[in-house]
Amino acid sequence: DGGITQSPKYLFRKEGQNVTLSCEQNLNHDAMYWYRQDPGQGLRLIYYSQIVNDFQKGDIAEGYSVSREKKESFPLTVTSAQKNPTAFYLCASKDRDRGPRAFFGQGTRLTVV
Amino acid sequence: AQSVTQPDIHITVSEGASLELRCNYSYGATPYLFWYVQSPGQGLQLLLKYFSGDTLVQGIKGFEAEFKRSQSSFNLRKPSVHWSDAAEYFCAVEAGTASKLTFGTGTRLQVTL
Repeated sequence: DGGITQSPKYLFRKEGQNVTLSCEQNLNHDAMYWYRQDPGQGLRLIYYSQIVNDFQKGDIAEGYSVSREKKESFPLTVTSAQKNPTAFYLCASKDRDRGPRAFFGQGTRLTVV
Repeated sequence: AQSVTQPDIHITVSEGASLELRCNYSYGATPYLFWYVQSPGQGLQLLLKYFSGDTLVQGIKGFEAEFKRSQSSFNLRKPSVHWSDAAEYFCAVEAGTASKLTFGTGTRLQVTL
């Protein structure tokens, strides 16, 4: 089945550590996005990429980094510079040529311990 | 920049009652408009979308939404709510060349039996 896979579903990180969240899609979509979700704040855009080897900062990029070496993969690294990383992270993808509908993964819940 | 307002943080309705969730957006032109639903700990599922044309759009699970340009609104409705509709609902807009989705803060729907 085509879709977006985020792993792991739950992730625990010690303070001061970097951690990488995986996002893989087999939909052949060009564009991919990372959102952060906190209670009462909706979803906020962290980074997005519209083509391979290119990405742009979203509204809350500080403390995060991404790479887009392959079309199907868009990993997100939460660095130690992110002051409050505990949140639910959602990855999405979209086919730029088939309209603006985005498809979402099932999310990763990151907890700092 | 575009913005989305969902004025109701939490709504409780009885099963079988009608439902209307409010969404207002701010953008200079007509954006693409979406409603998503999220169950706890899950990703987002698209309920319906408006791109152009008929301002009353039908979605899945018996939901519909009406685009009103004069009010910059895109309210979600359902004639008769089922207990399984309890979830969080997000309104989103996409506008501009960057194709980024901007989300409202969400409305949590509780259904009483």
